Amino acid sequence: DGGITQSPKYLFRKEGQNVTLSCEQNLNHDAMYWYRQDPGQGLRLIYYSQIVNDFQKGDIAEGYSVSREKKESFPLTVTSAQKNPTAFYLCASSRGQGSYETQYFGPGTRLLVL
Amino acid sequence: GENVEQHPSTLSVQEGDSAVIKCTYSDSASNYFPWYKQELGKGPQLIIDIRSNVGEKKDQRIAVTLNKTAKHFSLHITETQPEDSAVYFCAASRTPFNTNAGKSTFGDGTTLTVKP
Repeated sequence: DGGITQSPKYLFRKEGQNVTLSCEQNLNHDAMYWYRQDPGQGLRLIYYSQIVNDFQKGDIAEGYSVSREKKESFPLTVTSAQKNPTAFYLCASSRGQGSYETQYFGPGTRLLVL
Repeated sequence: GENVEQHPSTLSVQEGDSAVIKCTYSDSASNYFPWYKQELGKGPQLIIDIRSNVGEKKDQRIAVTLNKTAKHFSLHITETQPEDSAVYFCAASRTPFNTNAGKSTFGDGTTLTVKP
């Protein structure tokens, strides 16, 4: 089955701690994205990557970092600089350049602060 | 950059009635308009999309219309069922997606409740 997976489903962060959210896709997509969703709100873009070893800041990148060392993987680190990290985090992928921008979303990771 | 406004934010209908959700966009160069459905605790999933060279597209009980002149597009769900209850997001983007301006911009979402 082709798809996009995220782990863990729930993640707890202590004050001052960095945590990393995993996102993997086997759709052979070039582009990958991270969104933050707060209760009752829309999707806000954190970072996106159109190709391996390249990524761009989205609308709310402060306090987050990413890497794109492999086409299949786009992990997101929530750093201690992110003062309000409690949210639902969604990873997505799309075919990328030259393609219509249908995005395929993972099941999400809910991050909670202890 | 692109700005997408979605209305209404909440919508409640009786089972069997129709539901309509509307979005407006600001970038006249946008040429791709997908709609996503998000069930509680899950990621959004594409339900229908439309490209700018088409004015209407239908898939069973779901249809999308696009008015390029007015820069708005709408989702129509007929004969609604309780399982249609979810949050619906519209989005706009333009190809080729090779610049920051080409990424998708999402509306804020509409919570649809279908009452049995």
